[in-house]
Amino acid sequence: DSGVTQTPKHLITATGQRVTLRCSPRSGDLSVYWYQQSLDQGLQFLIQYYNGEERAKGNILERFSAQQFPDLHSELNLSSLELGDSALYFCASSATGSGTLSYEQYFGPGTRLTVT
Amino acid sequence: AQSVTQLDSQVPVFEEAPVELRCNYSSSVSVYLFWYVQYPNQGLQLLLKYLSGSTLVKGINGFEAEFNKSQTSFHLRKPSVHISDTAEYFCAVLPPGGATNKLIFGTGTLLAVQP
Repeated sequence: DSGVTQTPKHLITATGQRVTLRCSPRSGDLSVYWYQQSLDQGLQFLIQYYNGEERAKGNILERFSAQQFPDLHSELNLSSLELGDSALYFCASSATGSGTLSYEQYFGPGTRLTVT
Repeated sequence: AQSVTQLDSQVPVFEEAPVELRCNYSSSVSVYLFWYVQYPNQGLQLLLKYLSGSTLVKGINGFEAEFNKSQTSFHLRKPSVHISDTAEYFCAVLPPGGATNKLIFGTGTLLAVQP
């Protein structure tokens, strides 16, 4: 158990809908990362938040957005869903901030999104 | 831009045999390197990491990896595999810079251990 929790575990929805994925980082971790794992794209970094602020963006579509709340949990919002958005979405957390030496990211179990 | 290449998409091996999973990266500067394992229907678990120091890195479950700067490689090895090692293994690189820690993953290697 990594200490990172994600809900829900599975999500089935229709095209055009909007969903919210939730992540709670390990206790004390300030950074949250979102990754997408799909058969055709592999594991891709989407976005990083650090202590409530967006730190980095990767290959995240404009239909997707995220935020990190004061209690450090994060939500990934996916809207206008398409069939191609079906994937496993992972959240990871780390204690890394500016100047620290720990670069380990701890991954949650993932949310499997199926768009029909 | 950095990239990671895992040359083998699948590696079949018999139980108790040694195994090597290959990983090469492209970068003109120093990077941090990681191996993660993903068991069926689970998240990713960190096996080991190379940040600096000794080029031979030991991880969990008897795995080790050797960083070779001249060959830009970070191959994962285990001298004797078990059925329970069957999983997908991902090599990842962390570009330097400090402001962000986005991991760049390879495409993964499925280690299939047969009895």
